[in-house]
Amino acid sequence: EIVLTQSPGTLSLSPGETATLSCRASRTVRSFYLAWYQHKPGQAPRLLIYGGSSRAAGVPDTFSGSGSGTDFTLTISRLEPEDFAVYYCQHYDHTSPTFGQGTKLEIK
Amino acid sequence: EVQLVESGGGLVQPGRSLRLSCAASGFSFGDYAMHWVRQVPGKGLEWVSGINWKSDTIDYAASVKGRFTISRDNENNSLYLQMDSLRPEDTALYYCAKGDDSSGYFYTGLDSWGPGTLVTVST
Repeated sequence: EIVLTQSPGTLSLSPGETATLSCRASRTVRSFYLAWYQHKPGQAPRLLIYGGSSRAAGVPDTFSGSGSGTDFTLTISRLEPEDFAVYYCQHYDHTSPTFGQGTKLEIK
Repeated sequence: EVQLVESGGGLVQPGRSLRLSCAASGFSFGDYAMHWVRQVPGKGLEWVSGINWKSDTIDYAASVKGRFTISRDNENNSLYLQMDSLRPEDTALYYCAKGDDSSGYFYTGLDSWGPGTLVTVST
């Protein structure tokens, strides 16, 4: 099983700032098989990024994904109030998919 | 518009069984892989099981392997999760989710999710 470790656990920022979220894999994940999700309380998770860096339909260009090998990053620029949520990375690289434990992005 | 609606959750005693269903609409169900993902209250997301379009690629998380069985009915646009030998640690909100590749390939992101159905395993 590939273990995904996200950091930090909680990130406190103000609207307008840039958030940088990290996802580290216990072994190499091909970037094509890495996704990021946004999850708000009481709602279903929302796919943001798939294939490591491709934005899902309707996702604004303030969200970007990057990385390779074992280190991946989700960057959210110009934070809006609606961006504050929990974010998860997920791999699906030809073994049982797993999620990271999540990063909570909260308003400072 | 893609719609996924889970049902079948509820309160069940440890060791008993429960069958979850997911009714899909708004897309060509038989063309896509489908998955179950759960969230223990207050915790993170956990992938549970997945099935490709023609049911010849199926996988389970280690925590449920041997106890849960995933299946699908493409004619009736439905996904199922048979959960046997339930444990208190299976208590969670269970989401049905759709793969994002119309080839039906198993290893994809999950681009649509239902609202979830709550399973509580307790005496």
